[in-house]
Order: sequence, then C-alpha cells, then structure tokens
Amino acid sequence: KAGVTQTPRYLIKTRGQQVTLSCSPISGHRSVSWYQQTPGQGLQFLFEYFSETQRNKGNFPGRFSGRQFSNSRSEMNVSTLELGDSALYLCASSAQTGVLYFGPGTRLTVT
Amino acid sequence: ELKVEQNPLFLSMQEGKNYTIYCNYSTTSDRLYWYRQDPGKSLESLFVLLSNGAVKQEGRLMASLDTKARLSTLHITAAVHDLSATYFCAVDKDKAAGNKLTFGGGTRVLVKP
Repeated sequence: KAGVTQTPRYLIKTRGQQVTLSCSPISGHRSVSWYQQTPGQGLQFLFEYFSETQRNKGNFPGRFSGRQFSNSRSEMNVSTLELGDSALYLCASSAQTGVLYFGPGTRLTVT
Repeated sequence: ELKVEQNPLFLSMQEGKNYTIYCNYSTTSDRLYWYRQDPGKSLESLFVLLSNGAVKQEGRLMASLDTKARLSTLHITAAVHDLSATYFCAVDKDKAAGNKLTFGGGTRVLVKP
C-alpha cells in the first residue's frame, strides 16, 4: 500500500502571502490530521478531517484552515503568512480506530 | 488541558547498555503512542498502548503503560547505533472524538560506539 504523500515537499514564501499544502492519505483512510512541527513549540495539532468534516481543531488562529475532499485528500491553507509560520507541516492519515501514519511533510520557509 | 512531558530531553547512550525514556501525561487518556523521527524525516509509528499494564516489544525496544500513574516508559535494551533518533510519545485523550494527539517534547537519542 502506498503511504501518505504530501506536496510540495519544500516551499519558500514571503510574509503576507498565502500557501496551500496538499495531502493524500493511505487508500481507505478517511481521517486526515495536520500537525505543525517547529524547534520551539514542538509538534502541535492543527486540525482533523473525517468524511469531509472538520472533527477536531487545535489552538491556531483563523489564518490556518483546511478542507477534505470526497476522495479523502486534504488541503490546508495558511493566509497572510508570518515568519513564525516557518515549520514542517505533517499530515497523518488513519483508519477510524487505528494508528496515525505520517507523511514526509512539507517544509515551509517564510522570508 | 492535557500536558505530556518526556524526560530526558537528550540521552547519550553507549552501545550495549540499557536505557529508559519516560513519558508523563496530565489527564486520563485513551491511547498512548510512541513514534521515532530520524533527522529531516517524518514520524514512524513504533507502538500503540491501549490499556493499563500494556507492554509491547519490538526488537530492542519495549514500551509499557501505567494508566494509574499516567506514565509510559520506552526501554532500550543493548543500544545500537541504528537507534539514534528522536523519540516522541503522544497521547490521544478521547479516541471516540477522533484523532487529536498531544505530543511530548521528544527525547533525542545518540548512541555512541
């Protein structure tokens, strides 16, 4: 089975721009979660989608949003980028009661 | 608010010796996970612990869970260089509500010959 895939793998943006990251889950997995990893804050939960509905949300500002499509693929969007948004963004997929499998991540650099 | 603490933050190991990483969490929770992360890479699932007294072993790694003490341990037996990585524990407070993991800060492990 193919694993979780994320695109793009690397991204450089300028402050004030917006960015969209994409995640394709493992086939058959309907839950997709997003996490932000930074050296200072560690791994933090952003949100989770299940069957196209946001099921859980972390403590991030409204600039961070996401969605899930009918094929379970998910996107997250960050608007009005700030320097502090530079991070590794990890997507994870899961069968309903199973382990979370993480993708390779998208490394976002905001300059 | 659920808090997850790991210690130590850094562990310098000698090959062949045994070590333990500790993971404490602040509130009753459904599941505890251990993940491994190599530099520049993603997270690899090691163990899922579901109930009090659960013990799982894979190779030189063994994880256990004490829900009463809100403590999980990851024991490394006879460390080898390949085990050098950062290890994270993560807790899912309410699995019925979906997937929402709270991670510990990680333990960076360096195994020296």
